[in-house]
Amino acid sequence: SQQGEEDPQALSIQEGENATMNCSYKTSINNLQWYRQNSGRGLVHLILIRSNEREKHSGRLRVTLDTSKKSSSLLITASRAADTASYFCAGAGSYQLTFGKGTKLSVIP
Amino acid sequence: KAGVTQTPRYLIKTRGQQVTLSCSPISGHRSVSWYQQTPGQGLQFLFEYFSETQRNKGNFPGRFSGRQFSNSRSEMNVSTLELGDSALYLCASSLSPVQETQYFGPGTRLLVL
Repeated sequence: SQQGEEDPQALSIQEGENATMNCSYKTSINNLQWYRQNSGRGLVHLILIRSNEREKHSGRLRVTLDTSKKSSSLLITASRAADTASYFCAGAGSYQLTFGKGTKLSVIP
Repeated sequence: KAGVTQTPRYLIKTRGQQVTLSCSPISGHRSVSWYQQTPGQGLQFLFEYFSETQRNKGNFPGRFSGRQFSNSRSEMNVSTLELGDSALYLCASSLSPVQETQYFGPGTRLLVL
């Protein structure tokens, strides 16, 4: 079963704009992770936020976590064409990561 | 360090056959997880191994099995292949059990005809 539901399913923006993706999850988690996948390849880890954290930054990425609403958001600032990819959130329970269905981001040069 | 490697990268099989996929984790990583990715179901957890023990298994039929060797390399096997088993199979490794950052391999794309 899917843990997270990303919103929107697809997002198209111009280079230089910010992209925001949202994720909701169903059960309790130890942490929430975001991954990127380029066109059917392996996933690349972007950022991990623990359940006792509210916000985390890494370069152009900003992640928030609201455990009361069971939701997280990923903000990519000053997007680049190379950011074009699918982005997945994944809730880490005791024994597995459960992934959402992903947001497909297209950054138009 | 070398990344996670998966072999083979592409595979074509026919219904009823069986297949074995291999995963070599990053050196020093003892946890290996397997995922199936399809357009319809997305990324679904198959199983996780840590120190040669299967710690958890996802909601897949018994045709899906796996194992981990003492050098942390892992294999997964699918017997009696069905058309619906066509998917990208991803392996991920981590230092400690699955809660921490997962490092993914490039995947094995399986097509069942």
